[in-house]
Parts: sequence; structure tokens; C-alpha cells
Amino acid sequence: GAVVSQHPSWVICKSGTSVKIECRSLDFQATTMFWYRQFPKQSLMLMATSNEGSKATYEQGVEKDKFLINHASLTLSTLTVTSAHPEDSSFYICSARESTQSAPIYGYTFGSGTRLTVV
Amino acid sequence: AQTVTQSQPEMSVQEAETVTLSCTYDTSESDYYLFWYKQPPSRQMILVIRQEAYKQQNATENRFSVNFQKAAKSFSLKISDSQLGDAAMYFCAYRSAHRDDKIIFGKGTRLHILP
Repeated sequence: GAVVSQHPSWVICKSGTSVKIECRSLDFQATTMFWYRQFPKQSLMLMATSNEGSKATYEQGVEKDKFLINHASLTLSTLTVTSAHPEDSSFYICSARESTQSAPIYGYTFGSGTRLTVV
Repeated sequence: AQTVTQSQPEMSVQEAETVTLSCTYDTSESDYYLFWYKQPPSRQMILVIRQEAYKQQNATENRFSVNFQKAAKSFSLKISDSQLGDAAMYFCAYRSAHRDDKIIFGKGTRLHILP
């Protein structure tokens, strides 16, 4: 089945630095990828939708300049948390839909997530 | 805007018994898709089962089945013969068939399996 690789699985960074999280579709092409944030014991909140070759669409309340998303190829999307602060500490998950699967019923494949801790 | 509501934050079931997780949703659309995702302690999201709104027949996947009531906007998940490996967070999710690609998740139900 479709596999999405997310890296790193966990990262600790100092306040004020930037962190990049990668999301790769390993055996399929993904025209659309999604980035979610999940706080402890809470649901997944969609942050943004990225489409290959175009600008990402951010959800209301998500700072575009803080969470930079790049979807430069059909197999790679990156989320960069810029000037990270402790309140950015969270679990970030990406997901992707195979471009050949035109039927939305197939849902999406999720990465294994990245736990970000800003100290 | 579409919303998904899971009213049971936590549930427990004895191993080998049956449990039903509730989910209701609100939408003005007639064509959409509903999903149940499982998130075990590893936090990897796993698709459990999916349902197309235009299909009256309830979806089943081995021990997992749904009770889809379109008029009532209800989409419950039944787990039969519960196993220890079923312990996880379960999220009900909605996706429009036309509008955009977003999946909207409920707040989740944590399921405990009692040995």
C-alpha cells in the first residue's frame, strides 16, 4: 500500500531556531499533501494544504510566516517552523493523497508524525 | 461549516466483547465520505473503515462495521470480538465529495480493552 515517510520522528530545538520537517510519498505521487498539528490528547487540527508547484493554503489562524510549507515535487512536502518558541511544541503529522486515486473514498495516507520540542 | 462530534471521550470494553463508538456530524451537503481512523500509542494514523454517503449499505471490514444513518447524520463504529490490539484513540472523520480535499476530524474516543 501507499507509504508516507515523515522525518524526523522527533526533534528538540532551541527557542529562536528553525526546524524543517519532511514528508515523502515513497511509492506514489502526491499532488496534494496536508499538514496537521496535534496537541496532547486532542484531535488533529489541519494547518495547511499544499499542492505541488503552488502556494500552500493555510487554515484560519495559522501563521503563514511561521509555518512555511513547500511542495516542490510530487513526492516531497516540507514544513519549516521558523523562529520556534516553546508554544510551537507539538506533534505534527502530514498526510497525502495519491494523485491517481481520483476517488476521495480512498482517504489519505498519514506519516508517522514528528514530535517537536522547543526549549 | 461541517463539524464532527464524538461525545464519548473514553470507553472501555472487556476483551472479546463488542463495543460501539458514536459519531455525529453536521453538513448541508448530500455527497460526502465518512471515515474512522485509529491512532494507537505509536500515533500512526490508520484507516479503519470508510463509507460513501450515497451508499445505503453499511461498510464492514472484518471485525469492524459501521451503522450509517444519513438522515440522522450518525456514523457509529462497532468493534466485535475486541482484542487488546484494538486499544487506541479512534477518530471519526468527514470529507466533502466535491468542495475540497480537507478531512475534518472529531475529537476522538479513547478505547481501553480490559483483559
